[in-house]
Amino acid sequence: DTAVSQTPKYLVTQMGNDKSIKCEQNLGHDTMYWYKQDSKKFLKIMFSYNNKELIINETVPNRFSPKSPDKAHLNLHINSLELGDSAVYFCASSQAISSGANVLTFGAGSRLTVL
Amino acid sequence: TQLLEQSPQFLSIQEGENLTVYCNSSSVFSSLQWYRQEPGEGPVLLVTVVTGGEVKKLKRLTFQFGDARKDSSLHITAAQTGDTGLYLCAGNSGNTGKLIFGQGTTLQVKP
Repeated sequence: DTAVSQTPKYLVTQMGNDKSIKCEQNLGHDTMYWYKQDSKKFLKIMFSYNNKELIINETVPNRFSPKSPDKAHLNLHINSLELGDSAVYFCASSQAISSGANVLTFGAGSRLTVL
Repeated sequence: TQLLEQSPQFLSIQEGENLTVYCNSSSVFSSLQWYRQEPGEGPVLLVTVVTGGEVKKLKRLTFQFGDARKDSSLHITAAQTGDTGLYLCAGNSGNTGKLIFGQGTTLQVKP
């Protein structure tokens, strides 16, 4: 049983297209995240949701729109894709927002290539 | 802006050697975590350190949190080929659950 699963794992598309990545967690966690990992392996947070409420929005272009229909799902929709959007996108979840030690469980990643 | 700097960024060693990876910041973190990531997979948590000066051991891996909670180190004794991977440190920032990651250290252990 995969704890955090995201689909698709690979996505190749043309500039200007719109695409979505889906994420589901079966851990019963309250908080979900989207991270972007660039070609240099740097992981940067994009969004986080706690119980379907947006908590973190890290100056991401508004072409990126997260949607959380319930606390087990957090999808990412990207409009008008640009070359610079090519990266690996990771979904993650954690039990709850904690000011102490917030431990994340990551999905396997979705590699987006924009041509 | 809080930043975590990892060094070295790349490390290639022979099996059996020891190594240390450093994670430094000018900011204080409530806790610091180390993750390991293999190709095609997401990062997997190795350890969380919370108290300044804390030392935790996980088999051949030793993790230390600096007294001021601004830095951490990961020491691997007698490295094995299975230790090959990307090692990431991450600090908890504020009360929003935000994790800030270092740039990562790519470790290659050769047989």
